[in-house]
Amino acid sequence: GEEVAQTPKHLVRGEGQKAKLYCAPIKGHSYVFWYQQVLKNEFKFLISFQNENVFDETGMPKERFSAKCLPNSPCSLEIQATKLEDSAVYFCASSLWGNEQFFGPGTRLTVL
Amino acid sequence: AQKITQTQPGMFVQEKEAVTLDCTYDTSDQSYGLFWYKQPSSGEMIFLIYQGSYDEQNATEGRYSLNFQKARKSANLVISASQLGDSAMYFCAMREPTGNQFYFGTGTSLTVIP
Repeated sequence: GEEVAQTPKHLVRGEGQKAKLYCAPIKGHSYVFWYQQVLKNEFKFLISFQNENVFDETGMPKERFSAKCLPNSPCSLEIQATKLEDSAVYFCASSLWGNEQFFGPGTRLTVL
Repeated sequence: AQKITQTQPGMFVQEKEAVTLDCTYDTSDQSYGLFWYKQPSSGEMIFLIYQGSYDEQNATEGRYSLNFQKARKSANLVISASQLGDSAMYFCAMREPTGNQFYFGTGTSLTVIP
């Protein structure tokens, strides 16, 4: 597609439940990035992929967060045992060469 | 140390006036990219402009221009002829070749006054 698609738009989970977010990058883009925006003014990088390979995961809290980008499937970001502080908007972005990033509309995760 | 610093939490500008949003960056790489994004209240992130570290000319895109001063490590965004629809958060970002991740500043909230 011509735009980055993210589903769902909103996700509500009870503390301790699992949350799974999906991202379909722009067709032909090799790079996918995940960001967490907790407040309106702070983006935290989580992980990046080059095709299906993890490129950089220095921002991922690995004990509960995992992500995949498999061929012919949307990329996914999964949070096991969500915590209140995981409440945020999660943005996915894709890039052709790793420069200009095009962002999806985000998934708002609310953990109650 | 912060990779990207935006020192103006909030800015106001009169409609039709020009405004400069400040951004300084910190990197030891010679090759890097600088970006500006706009985030309206609806939440989406909109790419505005890109400047490569080796580009000799300042980038321009319509009413947006990037005032790139490499020696000072600054990449200020200039919006000319402000419009009410320009009211939004503006984020400066940098991509370093190593690690392939982006670093974002904390943003500047711009309000255009009629």
